[in-house]
Amino acid sequence: QKEVEQDPGPLSVPEGAIVSLNCTYSNSAFQYFMWYRQYSRKGPELLMYTYSSGNKEDGRFTAQVDKSSKYISLFIRDSQPSDSATYLCATVRDSNYQLIWGAGTKLIIKP
Amino acid sequence: NAGVTQTPKFRILKIGQSMTLQCTQDMNHNYMYWYRQDPGMGLKLIYYSVGAGITDKGEVPNGYNVSRSTTEDFPLRLELAAPSQTSVYFCASSYSPPTDYSNQPQHFGDGTRLSIL
Repeated sequence: QKEVEQDPGPLSVPEGAIVSLNCTYSNSAFQYFMWYRQYSRKGPELLMYTYSSGNKEDGRFTAQVDKSSKYISLFIRDSQPSDSATYLCATVRDSNYQLIWGAGTKLIIKP
Repeated sequence: NAGVTQTPKFRILKIGQSMTLQCTQDMNHNYMYWYRQDPGMGLKLIYYSVGAGITDKGEVPNGYNVSRSTTEDFPLRLELAAPSQTSVYFCASSYSPPTDYSNQPQHFGDGTRLSIL
């Protein structure tokens, strides 16, 4: 079983829709969770960073962590064509501070 | 402010050849990382460094070597290139470890696309 699972998509939605992206993880000890956005032929950039459970909001983006079900989500409101990218979730292995990455979900926002 | 710069952007190697992927950062970051990203897969850590003179293996170090003689530079060496090393390679740097990325996030370069034929 992979430590972090993420549906690769692609996920295609119309402009203005609410987007929900999700990951599951296997180790209940994980505490730090991140969402990265990666445009084509570019490196990932950190979008959201959360610690433990709960929600974090930044503009049109909301990150949610449910530790009881080992489930993390990223919601994008009022989606724009410029949001079209691959979104990767990641968590931190406490023993050596290494990041464990999901495979990434390709998101396409249709104008 | 250039951030993290990787060279070359593209390279084709023959099996058995060797090469060095260059990475330099101008943010005075202590932590530097090399990842590889294969299609449909997440990033895999190859090597990382917590400061000049200090390096350690990640998840997939076999076939690679690194050195860190300065804070700015963290080159990745491929010896005896194999088709399995065809991938996109990303270098990254950060001021803090991942447990403090909320204040000081990790910065990535734009990658080196390497094909081994």
